[in-house]
Amino acid sequence: AQRVTQPEKLLSVFKGAPVELKCNYSYSGSPELFWYVQYSRQRLQLLLRHISRESIKGFTADLNKGETSFHLKKPFAQEEDSAMYYCALSPNTGNQFYFGTGTSLTVIP
Amino acid sequence: NAGVTQTPKFRVLKTGQSMTLLCAQDMNHEYMYWYRQDPGMGLRLIHYSVGEGTTAKGEVPDGYNVSRLKKQNFLLGLESAAPSQTSVYFCASRFGLGEQYFGPGTRLTVT
Repeated sequence: AQRVTQPEKLLSVFKGAPVELKCNYSYSGSPELFWYVQYSRQRLQLLLRHISRESIKGFTADLNKGETSFHLKKPFAQEEDSAMYYCALSPNTGNQFYFGTGTSLTVIP
Repeated sequence: NAGVTQTPKFRVLKTGQSMTLLCAQDMNHEYMYWYRQDPGMGLRLIHYSVGEGTTAKGEVPDGYNVSRLKKQNFLLGLESAAPSQTSVYFCASRFGLGEQYFGPGTRLTVT
């Protein structure tokens, strides 16, 4: 069963426009949610995780347990934000990870 | 401090051949993971390890075996490669419940 759903495979926005990458999950209990990013020719790396409640590179994500969502948002997109973004879930046991299918974000100059 | 390294970077196999992918980390991490990345499928967990000498199955373990004889190394084996195993393979390691650190990937083609 798909635990993490990213409905948009491709997303294009203009520079300076707001951007939202959607992530929905299905899991009973209290999972941990993450956003990972893969820039061109670079390794996959952690962008942010819900427990840290940080803003990284202007991105934020709020865990909405009622809607089982963990959408990634940024008010003003920059060209350097163009990348592949993956939402991931780790059950509260902490051993396994489930990734979504990814969203390729392109920021148009 | 090299982080997570993977060997080889690229490989082409014929159907039925075997090979081993090596993942090494120098961060003293307990947890290690093997994923495959396929277009439209995201990353799927093949096997993982929570410590030296222990391994467990992930989402898509069939056709793969793993070993963790040393804490710093996590090997992924394909005993009889199939075209369906053409993919990009990523290794990752993690300390406790911290973030995962990923390797650069191995691109495998099975003809």
